Amino acid sequence: AQSVSQHNHHVILSEAASLELGCNYSYGGTVNLFWYVQYPGQHLQLLLKYFSGDPLVKGIKGFEAEFIKSKFSFNLRKPSVQWSDTAEYFCAVTYYGNNRLAFGKGNQVVVIP
Amino acid sequence: NAGVTQTPKFRVLKTGQSMTLLCAQDMNHEYMYWYRQDPGMGLRLIHYSVGEGTTAKGEVPDGYNVSRLKKQNFLLGLESAAPSQTSVYFCASNGPATSYNSPLHFGNGTRLTVT
Repeated sequence: AQSVSQHNHHVILSEAASLELGCNYSYGGTVNLFWYVQYPGQHLQLLLKYFSGDPLVKGIKGFEAEFIKSKFSFNLRKPSVQWSDTAEYFCAVTYYGNNRLAFGKGNQVVVIP
Repeated sequence: NAGVTQTPKFRVLKTGQSMTLLCAQDMNHEYMYWYRQDPGMGLRLIHYSVGEGTTAKGEVPDGYNVSRLKKQNFLLGLESAAPSQTSVYFCASNGPATSYNSPLHFGNGTRLTVT
């Protein structure tokens, strides 16, 4: 079964610090990768996605993620976080021909002003 | 364009009671999903549907039933609620059917407490 691992469930950092969240998925062939964000009290929203092509993808709000096929990873980064980035971040994967997303357990990120 | 709408937003049940959560989408999506979100567990798929009249089990289907009588609606039922079903429930949809990589659109969630 497809699975997604996220590390460092709780992350606390100060404004302007850099953020990197790790995501690893189990091997299963061609994959589509997503990062979703859930702001406090809200539903999940798409942050960015990778289907093919350039492994470095840029999303909304200054976020980017890099797909490294050899490491089965899709890490999320932001060079300088803001207080408004406080949220929970979920990595998700689908495999070719399968429309169901498998989610990681999430990273709770708190940015201190 | 409302997107994905869930009702109700909040509900408190006593053990053994039943209820139905309604999900409606106006994007003509083929696929619909019910997830539950619990602290430290991420989102876990309960049931899903690949089209009108079809349903399938997800990762944690026990204690739940679903129906997709109309393409735009996906109902999640709890026949006999248990405290372990206390959670936040999210409905999601995507499509079209040939697009296996289209992002999910989520509803705003239903917070259910079972006492």
